[in-house]
Amino acid sequence: EIVLTQSPGTLSLSPGERATLSCRASQSVSSSYLAWYQQKPGQAPRLLIYGASSRATGIPDRFSGSGSGTDFTLTISRLEPEDFAVYYCQQYGSSPQLTFGGGTKVEIK
Amino acid sequence: QVQLVESGGGLVKPGGSLRLSCAASGFTFSDYYMSWIRQAPGKGLEWVSYISSSGSTIYYADSVKGRFTISRDNAKNSLYLQMNSLRAEDTAVYYCARAVPGPFFDYWGQGTLVTVSS
Repeated sequence: EIVLTQSPGTLSLSPGERATLSCRASQSVSSSYLAWYQQKPGQAPRLLIYGASSRATGIPDRFSGSGSGTDFTLTISRLEPEDFAVYYCQQYGSSPQLTFGGGTKVEIK
Repeated sequence: QVQLVESGGGLVKPGGSLRLSCAASGFTFSDYYMSWIRQAPGKGLEWVSYISSSGSTIYYADSVKGRFTISRDNAKNSLYLQMNSLRAEDTAVYYCARAVPGPFFDYWGQGTLVTVSS
């Protein structure tokens, strides 16, 4: 099973700042099969990025994904008030066993 | 628009059973793999199971294998999760999600809470 480790656990930033979230895999994720989700309190997760760097439908271009192999990054270029949430990465390169990272909380400083 | 509505959650005693349902609308249900994903209170996401569009291919997480059964009825646009031999650690919000080839998950329901407690 591929274990995904997200860091930091919590990121305290102000609106307008840049957020950089990390997702590290215990072994290489084939074909960059990595997705990112955003979850707000009391809501279901929302797909942001798939294939490591492709934005899902309707996702603003301030969200970008990068990386390959074992190291992946989600960047939010300028934080908007609605971006404060928890973010999860998910690998699907070792399907059928799918795994999620433990999450990074982006909170208002 | 795509809608996924889960139902069937509730309080059940350890060792008991529960059946979750997910009603899908706004897309051609029979074209898509579907999945169940859960989230324990205050914790992260855990993939539980997914099923192919025809129902012929099914996978489970090791944590639920042999206890949970996923199924679907394409005529009723519905996904199910039969949960048996429930344990306290199965307590979670269970989400139904549409799976895109990979799979990853592009639409999620709002979830249904399952609490396993005596």
